[in-house]
Amino acid sequence: NAGVTQTPKFRVLKTGQSMTLLCAQDMNHEYMYWYRQDPGMGLRLIHYSVGEGTTAKGEVPDGYNVSRLKKQNFLLGLESAAPSQTSVYFCASSPFSGKSPLHFGNGTRLTVT
Amino acid sequence: AQSVTQLDSQVPVFEEAPVELRCNYSSSVSVYLFWYVQYPNQGLQLLLKYLSGSTLVKGINGFEAEFNKSQTSFHLRKPSVHISDTAEYFCAVSPGTNAGKSTFGDGTTLTVKP
Repeated sequence: NAGVTQTPKFRVLKTGQSMTLLCAQDMNHEYMYWYRQDPGMGLRLIHYSVGEGTTAKGEVPDGYNVSRLKKQNFLLGLESAAPSQTSVYFCASSPFSGKSPLHFGNGTRLTVT
Repeated sequence: AQSVTQLDSQVPVFEEAPVELRCNYSSSVSVYLFWYVQYPNQGLQLLLKYLSGSTLVKGINGFEAEFNKSQTSFHLRKPSVHISDTAEYFCAVSPGTNAGKSTFGDGTTLTVKP
């Protein structure tokens, strides 16, 4: 049982380049989330999804897009990367919201130069 | 809206000493409360959660936390820490609605020294 798998683990981009981060979960969870983690700032929600085909904005959505075409996958896209997007990105999933704790992947460390 | 404040950004402690990591929250609705632990270069793992019932909840690795509704706090404690407890700890709240999302504190780095 792999849980939540994020690819890639590391990536370096130049300003203006684009990329997609992939999150896959094998627990049949309805909810999926993308967070970014910056030193001293905890985790901030970028976008989330409450089910296949749905997406919604979180706290810091600007500069990012997401898609949830399949229940098990949640993609995070950066269309034109900026140095301010240098961060560690975490994907998480949960069977329901509220009561259910989040299951996290191991993160993607992105550096934008 | 909800918010979480972790009162200490860094807590150094000697091995076998007790530790308390403090968390206060605010919310206009009832919430569920969580503590997560993050070891270096890993994702977050659930340590314990409070959903309802007894205000003292026990988690993994000997940690426990007490929910105090009047003080809107959910402090994490361990009576005797080990070197292996060195990690970052996050307090999180989630509103009790289906459309809710977890809000995280800024984290507390626990460093256990020999």
